[in-house]
Amino acid sequence: DIQMTQSPSSLSAFVGDRVTITCRTSQNVSNYLNWYQQKPGEAPNLLIYAASTLQRGVPLRFTGSRSGTDFTLTISTLQPEDFGTYFCQQTFNAALSFGGGTKVEVK
Amino acid sequence: QVQLLESGPGLVKPSETLSLTCTVSGGSLRSHYYSWIRQPPGKGLEWIGYFYDSGNTRYNPSLKSRVTISVDTSKNQFSLNLTSVTAADTAVYFCARRIVTTSEDYFDRWGQGTLVTVSS
Repeated sequence: DIQMTQSPSSLSAFVGDRVTITCRTSQNVSNYLNWYQQKPGEAPNLLIYAASTLQRGVPLRFTGSRSGTDFTLTISTLQPEDFGTYFCQQTFNAALSFGGGTKVEVK
Repeated sequence: QVQLLESGPGLVKPSETLSLTCTVSGGSLRSHYYSWIRQPPGKGLEWIGYFYDSGNTRYNPSLKSRVTISVDTSKNQFSLNLTSVTAADTAVYFCARRIVTTSEDYFDRWGQGTLVTVSS
């Protein structure tokens, strides 16, 4: 199975800050890495797929990148509505897996 | 626009079988992969299993011995059966549509989720 190590587990930042979340996979997953945002009481919402492709309707302040087995989700200018928990997910292996999540608090 | 809606009992007794149904509207089950995912309270997401081509299935190895996903294309529904449940199976259960192409593979539509509590 492919292990997903997401960091940090939580962060607190001010509106306007640049925020970076990292996901490291235990083996190569090519670009089969997706990012989701989940707000309390809601289902996850797709932000980025294929490591760096922005889902339709998602604000341009969200970007995704890859360096080997390290993947990064960046929020360029944090907004109040960006609170929630962010999860990475690999779909390279038929046994899908998710990262543990990063809880983002907006000050 | 495709919508998914989970339904089923919110309370299941230990050792019994958890049964949920996902109804898909606005799209066909024949065209995509569909999956069940769960999330214990306050914890992360766990993939349970998925089906594709209206009949082929794949399950999380950690749950494989207890899970069955079945499909009813005439009703545009698919179902989850999880046997011999324990308190560890208490979770919000989501159904989701999975888009799979030659270079992309992601969940683009999710149901709202349904909380299932295992308790006597």
